[in-house]
Amino acid sequence: QSVLTQPPSVSAAPGQKVTISCSGSSSNIGNNYVSWYQQLPGTAPKLLIYDNNKRPSGIPDRFSGSKSGTSATLGITGLQTGDEADYYCETWDSSLSVVVFGGGTKLTVL
Amino acid sequence: EVQLLESGGGLVQPGGSLRLSCAASGFTFSSSAMSWVRQAPGKGLEWVAAFSGSDGSTHYADSVKGRFTISRDNSKNTLYLQMNSLRAEDTAVYYCAKSGKRITNFDSWGQGTLVTVSS
Repeated sequence: QSVLTQPPSVSAAPGQKVTISCSGSSSNIGNNYVSWYQQLPGTAPKLLIYDNNKRPSGIPDRFSGSKSGTSATLGITGLQTGDEADYYCETWDSSLSVVVFGGGTKLTVL
Repeated sequence: EVQLLESGGGLVQPGGSLRLSCAASGFTFSSSAMSWVRQAPGKGLEWVAAFSGSDGSTHYADSVKGRFTISRDNSKNTLYLQMNSLRAEDTAVYYCAKSGKRITNFDSWGQGTLVTVSS
């Protein structure tokens, strides 16, 4: 059972918008930066969002991140079939002194 | 260009040992935090261990504490993971991941190496 809670799956049509939530606590999300990763089938994860809402160079602005209290959200607009992947949130847990990942969310673009 | 190349995976019996290596290039290895992250077949990501780039501290997931040891050789730009007393539940693809100053926020990943623990 993951310390960070994500929905197992989300789906939306091409061109639409989807959000993926990540719920934690004051010891992790509430007091630390959140990152988001995209893992396409059969490949290594790739950093999408860091420090809650920043995008690494090369990541399109269709991807956005936000944080409020003990929850974080990844938003993806203009969905493409190539966005079908597993998405993970990640942060530091100050009480456990460990890195924690969410359980992952599988995005299906219908 | 950042490159991380893992090696050392394979089939090992329960109770056995294995050492993974991660050869790094394209960045200042000595000042970067480095981690191992694993993914069991069909499962999500699980952080395993980290080596700080700033103060030399190490951190471990409870599931591997006392059995796994993370180390680094800055002269060879290489990260290691010594895995002892391996269990079936350690079976996974093990990724080497690079951070900046903080242990979190993995901005580059290797391609992974598969470790299978089975008799």
